[in-house]
Amino acid sequence: QKEVEQDPGPLSVPEGAIVSLNCTYSNSAFQYFMWYRQYSRKGPELLMYTYSSGNKEDGRFTAQVDKSSKYISLFIRDSQPSDSATYLCAMIGAAGNKLTFGGGTRVLVKP
Amino acid sequence: DARVTQTPRHKVTEMGQEVTMRCQPILGHNTVFWYRQTMMQGLELLAYFRNRAPLDDSGMPKDRFSAEMPDATLATLKIQPSEPRDSAVYFCASGLRQQETQYFGPGTRLLVL
Repeated sequence: QKEVEQDPGPLSVPEGAIVSLNCTYSNSAFQYFMWYRQYSRKGPELLMYTYSSGNKEDGRFTAQVDKSSKYISLFIRDSQPSDSATYLCAMIGAAGNKLTFGGGTRVLVKP
Repeated sequence: DARVTQTPRHKVTEMGQEVTMRCQPILGHNTVFWYRQTMMQGLELLAYFRNRAPLDDSGMPKDRFSAEMPDATLATLKIQPSEPRDSAVYFCASGLRQQETQYFGPGTRLLVL
């Protein structure tokens, strides 16, 4: 079993809908949680970064972390076709060792 | 607009040939990472450096892969000899002291025939 699990999708939604993405993890030492967006044939781009449990909002993006359930989420409001990409969760422990990535969820926002 | 650059962007080579990939981290970043991405395995960390010193290369096949930072503006990843199973996209990323903020380059797409 992988340390970080993420549904590969694809997740197809109509434009304007809310996109809901999530990851589960098994290592309770993870303290920092990130979401990256990766367009086709591009490198991952850091979207959101949160520390420990709680919510963080940035424009149309909201990241949630529930450490008790070992579950993190990313919500994209008012989704646009330009949000079509693969979204990868990533996490790391407080000791600052290796960043562990989920496998990514492919999202398609249809006009 | 500071960004990580990687060369070459694409590389096609034959099995047994040497492959060298280069990365220029963002100026001022002191940590450099090398990742490999495949459909089957996703993103895998191969090695990383801090202040040019290798900290962890446990993700690399030691017999054929090597990573170096000749200076603060250049990181290299070398495969010798290359094999078809090395076909993947290789990403370089850079960051400051804490690993949680890593900035990725555009990647080198490698195909070994």
